[in-house]
Amino acid sequence: DAKTTQPPSMDCAEGRAANLPCNHSTISGNEYVYWYRQIHSQGPQYIIHGLKNNETNEMASLIITEDRKSSTLILPHATLRDTAVYYCIVFTSGTYKYIFGTGTRLKVLA
Amino acid sequence: GAGVSQTPSNKVTEKGKYVELRCDPISGHTALYWYRQSLGQGPEFLIYFQGTGAADDSGLPNDRFFAVRPEGSVSTLKIQRTERGDSAVYLCASSLTRDNEQFFGPGTRLTVL
Repeated sequence: DAKTTQPPSMDCAEGRAANLPCNHSTISGNEYVYWYRQIHSQGPQYIIHGLKNNETNEMASLIITEDRKSSTLILPHATLRDTAVYYCIVFTSGTYKYIFGTGTRLKVLA
Repeated sequence: GAGVSQTPSNKVTEKGKYVELRCDPISGHTALYWYRQSLGQGPEFLIYFQGTGAADDSGLPNDRFFAVRPEGSVSTLKIQRTERGDSAVYLCASSLTRDNEQFFGPGTRLTVL
């Protein structure tokens, strides 16, 4: 079973920040949080990952709470092309496989 | 650079037939993964290779499913005696090492009639 819980769907206005939450209350100290997204009929696309510190790259920012039990993916200026299913995954170095949940379906509205 | 490629993009077969699905990983990636995705669900892990060997095949649903990676690059997922329930999108991913992020291909949509 997935070790993460995400809301099934969210809407966001174009140009606004999209904040996608994820709960991973049973995460262990050596487990990473990974975010992927899947645009219709394509393979999942890597976005960002982190262990305990906040991370930022050209696509998004990842905010991990101090207790590591939850995180938020932030798309700073959402566009219509960001409409996709977003998956939050807890990755264990040792098992090396992703266990996907059902993700959050983000719809960016014009 | 070239990403992960999968062929064919679509495969329609009849119940009971044998199929092979091919994955070409990113050059130099040592780890290769197969996942299966049913409609409305997240991808489900099947098997992963570290080099030529299957390091974890715990996700293969039964012995009709088999995968190989003989030279540590291209991989083939083989399904014998296909059943209608095997219909899904089969995704392949590769990573530089098994500790790195995985890059996914576009998938092969398998339809068993």
